[in-house]
Amino acid sequence: GEDVEQSLFLSVREGDSSVINCTYTDSSSTYLYWYKQEPGAGLQLLTYIFSNMDMKQDQRLTVLLNKKDKHLSLRIADTQTGDSAIYFCAVGLSGGYNKLIFGAGTRLAVHP
Amino acid sequence: DVKVTQSSRYLVKRTGEKVFLECVQDMDHENMFWYRQDPGLGLRLIYFSYDVKMKEKGDIPEGYSVSREKKERFSLILESASTNQTSMYLCASLSTRGYNEQFFGPGTRLTVL
Repeated sequence: GEDVEQSLFLSVREGDSSVINCTYTDSSSTYLYWYKQEPGAGLQLLTYIFSNMDMKQDQRLTVLLNKKDKHLSLRIADTQTGDSAIYFCAVGLSGGYNKLIFGAGTRLAVHP
Repeated sequence: DVKVTQSSRYLVKRTGEKVFLECVQDMDHENMFWYRQDPGLGLRLIYFSYDVKMKEKGDIPEGYSVSREKKERFSLILESASTNQTSMYLCASLSTRGYNEQFFGPGTRLTVL
């Protein structure tokens, strides 16, 4: 079935850029998403990209989509301690009902 | 702002008990979802509903059932709780406007002893 994979941990220094990567198998997805989960909270949509786009920039966030390689990445510029969280890649499934397939989540730790 | 609320943040139950988890959304969304979240596995879909009284199995429905009697409320039921159902349970509600964002509740951390 459809699968979404991402690495489990990333550690960066405050002020550096963070890059979180994701690969997926369903090539017919219309939208791809990045959700953020802070400790003790539910998920919150961080950003999304439409499948006919290669890149989307939103302030400190840059999303890159390589449809040929089925690779999605999230870059956070000038990473701050408040960015410490779990980041989930999610892919919208084709075929109705607007279901999502989530990756396992990448835990981002930002240290001074 | 869309709000999705869940009835409890923390629950402790005993093996064999019947457990009800409730989710309420205030944006008149038709589609609602129940997930469980486990470390290293991400979110896995248990059940979803696309209308009142309508439900569909997700990827891991075994041991669970759901109820959607009103549009705003979606309940997850553990018929006979088992220790392997100890997990974080997340409810979501879907907006079909624009980019199909799912809005999540804060989660219920269930421990089955």
